[in-house]
Amino acid sequence: ILNVEQSPQSLHVQEGDSTNFTCSFPSSNFYALHWYRWETAKSPEALFVMTLNGDEKKKGRISATLNTKEGYSYLYIKGSQPEDSATYLCAQYNFNKFYFGSGTKLNVKP
Amino acid sequence: DAGVTQSPTHLIKTRGQQVTLRCSPKSGHDTVSWYQQALGQGPQFIFQYYEEEERQRGNFPDRFSGHQFPNYSSELNVNALLLGDSALYLCASSPTGTGGAYEQYFGPGTRLTVT
Repeated sequence: ILNVEQSPQSLHVQEGDSTNFTCSFPSSNFYALHWYRWETAKSPEALFVMTLNGDEKKKGRISATLNTKEGYSYLYIKGSQPEDSATYLCAQYNFNKFYFGSGTKLNVKP
Repeated sequence: DAGVTQSPTHLIKTRGQQVTLRCSPKSGHDTVSWYQQALGQGPQFIFQYYEEEERQRGNFPDRFSGHQFPNYSSELNVNALLLGDSALYLCASSPTGTGGAYEQYFGPGTRLTVT
C-alpha cells in the first residue's frame, strides 16, 4: 500500500486570493499522478494527468507542477473564485492501481 | 454521451445483508474500476475489471466481489454487510489497455448506509 498525503486538509481563503496545495507520494517506481476536483454531490473531475519529472500543466487559473525525484506535486489556484470551492484530490498510479490522498477541501469566501 | 452512470444513488441496508451496486462506463471505455470512500478519507481502490475479468485488486476481503458484462457495465457485490462498509462507492471507467493511468472518468457514486 502506497502512502499518498495531501496538505493542508482544509483551506479557507477570500475571493481573489491565490493558494496552493501539496501532494506527497513515494518517489520510487513512479508512473503517473492525477489531480481531481470534486464538488459536493458531483463526480470527481480530472484536472491534470502528469507523468514526467518537471511537468507543468495549466488550465485557466489552475496549474500544477510535478517533482518525481523528491515525490511531490503542487496545485496552484490564482485569484480564487467561489466556484473553485471543492475538494482537490491527488492520486498516484503505481503497480497498476491508484492510491489516493485524502484531499484538500477549499472554501473560497466571496 | 451520458458519462459514467451509477445506480442506485442511495441505499440503506442492514448488517448481514448483501448489496449489489451497478455501473455503466463512459461510451468507448471497456475498463471499470471500483473505489470505496469512507468519511474523511480518500477513495480506496477495490478492484478493476477488463474483458470481464478482475485484473487488479486492492486490499479488500472476499466479501467484495464484482462482475463485468459483455457490454462493459459492471456490478459490485458486497456480502455479509458490516457497519464499516458504510461509504460512498465510486465507479470509474477508462479506455482500453491503460488501466486508467492516463485517463479515468468517475461516476457520481452510490451512498451505502449499513444499519
